[in-house]
Amino acid sequence: AQSVTQPDIHITVSEGASLELRCNYSYGATPYLFWYVQSPGQGLQLLLKYFSGDTLVQGIKGFEAEFKRSQSSFNLRKPSVHWSDAAEYFCAVGDGAQKLVFGQGTRLTINP
Amino acid sequence: EPEVTQTPSHQVTQMGQEVILRCVPISNHLYFYWYRQILGQKVEFLVSFYNNEISEKSEIFDDQFSVERPDGSNFTLKIRSTKLEDSAMYFCASSPDRGREKLFFGSGTQLSVL
Repeated sequence: AQSVTQPDIHITVSEGASLELRCNYSYGATPYLFWYVQSPGQGLQLLLKYFSGDTLVQGIKGFEAEFKRSQSSFNLRKPSVHWSDAAEYFCAVGDGAQKLVFGQGTRLTINP
Repeated sequence: EPEVTQTPSHQVTQMGQEVILRCVPISNHLYFYWYRQILGQKVEFLVSFYNNEISEKSEIFDDQFSVERPDGSNFTLKIRSTKLEDSAMYFCASSPDRGREKLFFGSGTQLSVL
């Protein structure tokens, strides 16, 4: 069965510092992988997605993620975080854009 | 950017009551979904809907749940007799295509069952 693990429930970083949010997945075939962000009171906004091709994908708001098949990982990175990046981040795996299986989420707090 | 709209943003109901959560998907989208997130837990798939019928549903989506597209714009989730454990944030989503297009999520309806 498909599953997604986000090992870090809560991460705190200083503004301007680099960020890496971890995501590991279990999937029987080549996965479709997604990162979503949820700000308070908002819906889930797609940051980026990986379907095939280049394993380093660029997303919105300066985020990128790298698909590593050997490690079953799809970690999200940003070189320098801004206070507005404080939010909940969800990794998801799915078959196309249909039924998605989400991770637990990682809450990101930014220190000024 | 076009948006998926959900109403109400908060819904409080008594256990055993029926509730209807409403969603207006993006106008040219063909695939519709409901997900939910119980506080502190993962976002979970409930149901997908295409061409006026359910295309897939999860184990959570039992006989107490139903979905409908009553007209050309709305997409509703009905819970016939709410239970305490139905308390959750319910997200509607739509997609123009079953393939590689992204899902557009609404901002959710927080359902509280007392």
